[in-house]
Amino acid sequence: DARVTQTPRHKVTEMGQEVTMRCQPILGHNTVFWYRQTMMQGLELLAYFRNRAPLDDSGMPKDRFSAEMPDATLATLKIQPSEPRDSAVYFCASGSPVVAAYEQYFGPGTRLTVT
Amino acid sequence: QKEVEQNSGPLSVPEGAIASLNCTYSDRGSQSFFWYRQYSGKSPELIMFIYSNGDKEDGRFTAQLNKASQYVSLLIRDSQPSDSATYLCAVNTGFQKLVFGTGTRLLVSP
Repeated sequence: DARVTQTPRHKVTEMGQEVTMRCQPILGHNTVFWYRQTMMQGLELLAYFRNRAPLDDSGMPKDRFSAEMPDATLATLKIQPSEPRDSAVYFCASGSPVVAAYEQYFGPGTRLTVT
Repeated sequence: QKEVEQNSGPLSVPEGAIASLNCTYSDRGSQSFFWYRQYSGKSPELIMFIYSNGDKEDGRFTAQLNKASQYVSLLIRDSQPSDSATYLCAVNTGFQKLVFGTGTRLLVSP
C-alpha cells in the first residue's frame, strides 16, 4: 500500500558530524513537508516543497540545515554541523493539492540523537 | 496566543464512554481542519478532516466544526483502550501548510 518511507529510522551521531535524512513521498504526491517533533515544542514545520520547488523554509535554521528534492521520489534534509539541540524525531509528510482538504500523510520518522 | 490550542490532558475516560477532544484556532481564514492520532513512538496518523461547519461522522469518530467560534472537536464514541494515544489538531492556514496543536493525551481505562 502507498506510504511515505524514511531512512534511517534511527541515527546516533556526535556533535559536529553531518546528518542526512531521506524521504520517499507517496507516488503521485507532489508536496513534501519536513517536520521536527520534540516534547517541548511539539510538531514544527521546517520546510516544504511543491513540485520539487522549495516553497517555505522559514522554520529551518539556515546556517546548519538544508533541504532539497533532487527528484520527485526523493527529499533530503541535511544538518551540518549537528548539535545536541538537534536531537528530535524528524518526520517527512507528503500530500497533493488535488485533494480538496490538503491532508498530509506522515512517514515513520527518523529519531536523531546527537551526543 | 498560539495559533492552535489544545488541552494537553491527560483526558481519562472509562472504556465504552464518549471521549471529547477540543481545539481552538486563531486564524479566521483557516479553511480545513484535521485530527491526527499519534501512538507513543509512532508517527501521526490521519483520522479525519472537516472543512464545513457542522458534524462529520466516520465510524466511532465525529468531527465538529464551528467557524464562528473558531472551534473544532473530535468525539470518540464507545472508547476503547486501543484509542489511548495523543490526538493532534491541525489547521490549514493556506498554501497547504498545517499548523499543529501540541496534542491532547487520551487515556481509556478498561
